Amino acid sequence: GAGVSQSPSNKVTEKGKDVELRCDPISGHTALYWYRQSLGQGLEFLIYFQGNSAPDKSGLPSDRFSAERTGGSVSTLTIQRTQQEDSAVYLCASSLNSGSPYEQYFGPGTRLTVT
Amino acid sequence: DQQVKQNSPSLSVQEGRISILNCDYTNSMFDYFLWYKKYPAEGPTFLISISSIKDKNEDGRFTVFLNKSAKHLSLHIVPSQPGDSAVYFCAASEGGGNQFYFGTGTSLTVIP
Repeated sequence: GAGVSQSPSNKVTEKGKDVELRCDPISGHTALYWYRQSLGQGLEFLIYFQGNSAPDKSGLPSDRFSAERTGGSVSTLTIQRTQQEDSAVYLCASSLNSGSPYEQYFGPGTRLTVT
Repeated sequence: DQQVKQNSPSLSVQEGRISILNCDYTNSMFDYFLWYKKYPAEGPTFLISISSIKDKNEDGRFTVFLNKSAKHLSLHIVPSQPGDSAVYFCAASEGGGNQFYFGTGTSLTVIP
């Protein structure tokens, strides 16, 4: 079956512009995660959605970052007024349910470059 | 502060030999650990996991060992194959929580 898809695969934007990154999780997966990986760093948790519950936003680095998940499926991560330090690969993952022992299935990521 | 650490950024191993990738963690409440494998331009894919109630889990050529007292886990690949060349991430979670904490990854190169 189809895996997690993300779009765009690459995004180059000018500092100060807003960007939207999209994630289509695996059908039937109720949990959805956003991570980012900056150069030389591990995956950094950003936000988590589980069904219709309020999202866990504890990993969002600033109020310029927000995310939505519409209809319990597709998710959009929005970064407002982008800064150069926002340059990273943004990864989305979905899982059948939350927490262990359910593994996360990752998308290929969106490489964001802020110039 | 990095709660999961992979102190070796890279590792080279001859084909057919054992690859040992190491991971250390600081949070004693972590009770579930996973290893992911990542090829360039792809997302990480799940490889193997272990619960804190075990000290070993094996799946084919891959074995994960957990030493809770040392807060250390390792992934053994035997025998190593060129197709195993990838970046390996370890990750940990606490009590079925939402957050998974990832290490910075170890790039494994298996030399034919």
